Amino acid sequence: DAGVTQSPTHLIKTRGQQVTLRCSPKSGHDTVSWYQQALGQGPQFIFQYYEEEERQRGNFPDRFSGHQFPNYSSELNVNALLLGDSALYLCASSLGAVQETQYFGPGTRLLVL
Amino acid sequence: AQKITQTQPGMFVQEKEAVTLDCTYDTSDPSYGLFWYKQPSSGEMIFLIYQGSYDQQNATEGRYSLNFQKARKSANLVISASQLGDSAMYFCAMRERNQGGKLIFGQGTELSVKP
Repeated sequence: DAGVTQSPTHLIKTRGQQVTLRCSPKSGHDTVSWYQQALGQGPQFIFQYYEEEERQRGNFPDRFSGHQFPNYSSELNVNALLLGDSALYLCASSLGAVQETQYFGPGTRLLVL
Repeated sequence: AQKITQTQPGMFVQEKEAVTLDCTYDTSDPSYGLFWYKQPSSGEMIFLIYQGSYDQQNATEGRYSLNFQKARKSANLVISASQLGDSAMYFCAMRERNQGGKLIFGQGTELSVKP
């Protein structure tokens, strides 16, 4: 039973660039949520995708955008990167948008120079 | 105001002993869920245990149990018979029904198990 997978594992970008992170949900799951975890902090909710639509959004600027594909996989895009975007980006999947437990992937570590 | 508070930045426990990690929460939503996740240095968040606000009994999963005190708004994680592999960051999180699927996390507690 494949768990949540994310790619790439690590990424280095420079300020102003754009980045795309990818996530494949756990087998049987249809909902993907994205979180940003700064060093020494707990994860912060970015947004959630269900049925290929953004269902809920946290307090992040619109430089952060996403997409969900028909196979339930998802992308997180960040434009005009800032130094403060350096973080671990975690993807979580669940069955259904609200009630079920979210299972996390290994994360993508993004460093912005 | 902090929704989830974990007041212990770091904890030490001797191998084979039990340890309690504290978590208090703040919500006005009568329907909510509380979660504990473990995060090793590799970064992946591993789900440990869940407690629903209407659950009558404290949740247990193997060596993990959740001491749920609703009136005090606390949801402490108890790990029995600690193992060296339990050394990691532990996060308490809450999901409120009126907030959809969003998880709100605390700052975490770093647990170190000593041999």
